[in-house]
Amino acid sequence: DTAVSQTPKYLVTQMGNDKSIKCEQNLGHDTMYWYKQDSKKFLKIMFSYNNKELIINETVPNRFSPKSPDKAHLNLHINSLELGDSAVYFCASTLNTGELFFGEGSRLTVL
Amino acid sequence: AQSVTQLGSHVSVSEGALVLLRCNYSSSVPPYLFWYVQYPNQGLQLLLKYTSAATLVKGINGFEAEFKKSETSFHLTKPSAHMSDAAEYFCAVSGSRGNEKLTFGTGTRLTIIP
Repeated sequence: DTAVSQTPKYLVTQMGNDKSIKCEQNLGHDTMYWYKQDSKKFLKIMFSYNNKELIINETVPNRFSPKSPDKAHLNLHINSLELGDSAVYFCASTLNTGELFFGEGSRLTVL
Repeated sequence: AQSVTQLGSHVSVSEGALVLLRCNYSSSVPPYLFWYVQYPNQGLQLLLKYTSAATLVKGINGFEAEFKKSETSFHLTKPSAHMSDAAEYFCAVSGSRGNEKLTFGTGTRLTIIP
């Protein structure tokens, strides 16, 4: 069973479109994250939720809106996609021991 | 605030040789330190972590790292490189309370020469 699963794995879309990425974890963790990895492999935290509540929002444009319907799910919706949004988006979860469990990533390409 | 600096974006070693990947950290509070590995087209996987217990930490796949407070370093080593070690390696730091964000270094790509 996949511990942290993201869908879709690949997403190709046009500028200006709206898209969503979904994430689910079956580890029973309270805290979930979205990270963005750019073409140079740099990983930057975007959001963190603890038990459905937003606890970290790292100066991300408000075109990005996370939603956590329950503590096992954290979805990411992106409005008005721009070329610079092309990246790999990783979902992760933790039991607050510091160790993160990552999904396999969702590669977003904006044309 | 915390940060990590990984020296060397690319490291190449021969198969069987020592692997040394360097990481220096900056933290205003006692840190937790981590090394993660990322294989192509995959997510990150934890190699090992330091959480204020033993300063020499052993991880998976024969890797280990030593926390040196005086040098603010947490270098990753492996005595003998294997072809399967080729990957991207990330050092990361967080505070030692719960829910603290993990800040990653810029990564080091390890290439193994046959």
